[in-house]
Amino acid sequence: DTGVSQDPRHKITKRGQNVTFRCDPISEHNRLYWYRQTLGQGPEFLTYFQNEAQLEKSRLLSDRFSAERPKGSFSTLEIQRTEQGDSAMYLCASSFYRVENTEAFFGQGTRLTVV
Amino acid sequence: GNSVTQMEGPVTLSEEAFLTINCTYTATGYPSLFWYVQYPGEGLQLLLKATKADDKGSNKGFEATYRKETTSFHLEKGSVQVSDSAVYFCALTQRGGTYKYIFGTGTRLKVLA
Repeated sequence: DTGVSQDPRHKITKRGQNVTFRCDPISEHNRLYWYRQTLGQGPEFLTYFQNEAQLEKSRLLSDRFSAERPKGSFSTLEIQRTEQGDSAMYLCASSFYRVENTEAFFGQGTRLTVV
Repeated sequence: GNSVTQMEGPVTLSEEAFLTINCTYTATGYPSLFWYVQYPGEGLQLLLKATKADDKGSNKGFEATYRKETTSFHLEKGSVQVSDSAVYFCALTQRGGTYKYIFGTGTRLKVLA
């Protein structure tokens, strides 16, 4: 296993279009997180899954954003009707939780540019 | 709420200089503390961590000590190399619940040969 992978690495889209990103976590990890990172800032939490259940969503996640993790494996993050303010790096991370949580491993991110 | 404050960058040093990047946090209870590094064009990589007060995390010559009395987790390295040029992020997680990370804004380090 080579770590957390994200696809695509880069996405340029026109305002108003829908986009979908995919994240494949480390195979034995049961927790999956999405973060957003804008230029010059640290990553900000968007949402997380434990197995297939989405257990928390940030206020940053507007109604235009939806995330899924079917069967507790890969996850998708969809943004509908994109706006220029959605331009950012979208990071996925995974970890293993049993009694305590391991540290999170991050993917390389998907850089979204809305024009 | 929980937060992390890092010293602003960029920090520019000559090779073999001593590095300190300050990080302070606000949190209830006993968070776990982390330093992540982001090299150009790459994702975040865990550099080191500490899970309780007075723990020292270390890796690749970098060190940081969890100081509860000053709510700090400053990153240090005795002799930086050009290859250490990157953005460094301090972060915390709160035990229990989501374990979501709260990150600082990052500090860019540039090391000159």
